[in-house]
This record gives sequence, structure tokens and C-alpha cells, in this order.
Amino acid sequence: VQLVQSGAEVKKPGASVKVSCKASGYTFTSFDINWVRQAAGQGLEWMGRLNPSTGHIGRGQKFQGRLTMTRNTSIGTAYMELTSLKHEDTAVYYCASGGDSFDIWGQGTTVIVSS
Amino acid sequence: QSALTQPASVSGSPGQSITISCTGTSSDVGSYNLVSWYQQHPGKAPKLMIYEGSKRPSGVSNRFSGSKSGNTASLTISGLQAEDEADYYCCSYAGSSIFYVFGTGTKVTVL
Repeated sequence: VQLVQSGAEVKKPGASVKVSCKASGYTFTSFDINWVRQAAGQGLEWMGRLNPSTGHIGRGQKFQGRLTMTRNTSIGTAYMELTSLKHEDTAVYYCASGGDSFDIWGQGTTVIVSS
Repeated sequence: QSALTQPASVSGSPGQSITISCTGTSSDVGSYNLVSWYQQHPGKAPKLMIYEGSKRPSGVSNRFSGSKSGNTASLTISGLQAEDEADYYCCSYAGSSIFYVFGTGTKVTVL
């Protein structure tokens, strides 16, 4: 059972980034996919979640209007796109699957926003 | 929505027990039995240690236990071992508007 994320990204302020999260070893549509980020030396921050079965999403208030979460059930992959990037969006982005807890985590994707 | 409050650091000697507190409000910790705890070693992804307040996933040592009283959840590590040295985060469901909120994190040091 694992989640494998796409590789590191470097983006300019104002650009967008899209991170993928591929599930294996379990039925992709059985559990929500959550997105959590962590800036260097800082704590964990929940961003949003996607129900892979229905496509229903929930976003943290901080990310309303900037965060899009989608999925491709045929290949068991979830996607997180963050738009209008700012320097403070520089962080490691994790996907995590589960119900009301985050049972399985991806390895993390480093996103650097730099001009 | 503010982060849940955890002590910045907790330390103990090998074999001792330590407890990490996680204080929220009546809108999150106090309202739902959906507190989870995560262990994170440097440079690694977090690992689920406790879910639904006090349940341990398969494979997690029974030295880890969770509890809740009012708006405060707690994680206790008994028989402290060197490998327990890590950062620990609590997380609580906070309703269908906020969804989830993490704690500020606690660095556990084994002396």
C-alpha cells in the first residue's frame, strides 16, 4: 500500500503547480485523498481533500479559489493544483489517504516558488 | 481557524513515560472523537500513530496511547526509546466548514 508523488518543482510567483499522487496496493476509490503541506521548519497544514469515488472536494478556507483537486480513477491518481503561487507557498506538499485520519502518506513533493 | 496548541518540546530519559498535550476548543477537539497523532522523523513523511483519539493502527507499538478530556487530547509514550525521538503532531476534525486542524507540533527528545 503506497502513494507515490511526482517530483520537485520550481515555479515563479504567479504561476501554477500541479502535483500528482498515484495510489497502489488498495482500491483507490475507497478512501479520501488529503493534501497537507509543510514549510521548512514549520508544522503541518491541511489544505483540502478529495473523495476519489464521487469527486466531491473540501478545501481549507485559506485555499478557497486557489486550490483545485482532481482525480483519474482509471489510473488511480489524484492531482492537486495550486494557482497564483506566492513565495510563502514554498513547502513540501504531501498527499495522504484515509477516512478521518491520514493513514498512508506519499513521500512528499518539494515546491519552490522563486523569482 | 487557529492551530491546536501543543508544547514546543518534551523530553525524557530512556524507559520513562512522557505525555504530549493538544489543546483545542469546543469546536474541534471537544466536539469530535476524531483526534489523530502523527510521528515525523527529520526529512520523512509523517506516520499515523493514533486515530479516533485512542486507537492504534496495526504495527504501531502499544507503548503509544491516546486519550481525551474536554478540549484537550493527549499522547502518552511509555518506555521511551531512542527511536521515539521525533516531532509529533495532533490533528482534529473541526466540522464541515473547517474540516481539519493540526497542532503546532512537539519535539520529543530522548535524553
